Amino acid sequence: ETGVTQSPTHLIKTRGQQVTLRCSSQSGHNTVSWYQQALGQGPQFIFQYYREEENGRGNFPPRFSGLQFPNYSSELNVNALELDDSALYLCASSLGGASADTQYFGPGTRLTVL
Amino acid sequence: QQQVKQSPQSLIVQKGGIPIINCAYENTAFDYFPWYQQFPGKGPALLIAIRPDVSEKKEGRFTISFNKSAKQFSLHIMDSQPGDSATYFCAASKGSGAGSYQLTFGKGTKLSVIP
Repeated sequence: ETGVTQSPTHLIKTRGQQVTLRCSSQSGHNTVSWYQQALGQGPQFIFQYYREEENGRGNFPPRFSGLQFPNYSSELNVNALELDDSALYLCASSLGGASADTQYFGPGTRLTVL
Repeated sequence: QQQVKQSPQSLIVQKGGIPIINCAYENTAFDYFPWYQQFPGKGPALLIAIRPDVSEKKEGRFTISFNKSAKQFSLHIMDSQPGDSATYFCAASKGSGAGSYQLTFGKGTKLSVIP
């Protein structure tokens, strides 16, 4: 069984640029959630996708957007990068329905915005 | 508004000791309470989780105690080992209504187990 994978591992961008982060969910999981973890803080929920539809969104601006594909992999896109967007971006996958809260995290993508 | 408050921020115990990490929540709609372990540079790993229909759950050396009336839950690590040195996060989520299945995390506890 393959766990959650994320790419790239690290990324450096400059303010104003756009970035796309990718996530492959664990085998059999159809729900993907994205979280932002600032240094020394707990992860914060960005949004969740279930069967290619957005299924909830946290307190993040519209420049944070996402996609889920038919194979349940997912992308997180961030436009107009700001310095405060520097963080570890985590993807978590889960089964849908009543098991959607049991979430398994990938290793994360470390984004640095200069 | 911080919906899940975690304490202490850091904790140092000797090998074999029993560190206890506490969390308190505000939203009575929460019905799922997991604990995650995170090593530097890694993603959080699910350790153990509890739902409000039980007051205690044990898996290996990890035990969750849950007090619904006090809106508190805690993680105990029995016979702690240096390899348990990591940051631990409590979290909570609800299974229905707006915002369902969104994990709300505490700020984390950095545990150091010294030999």
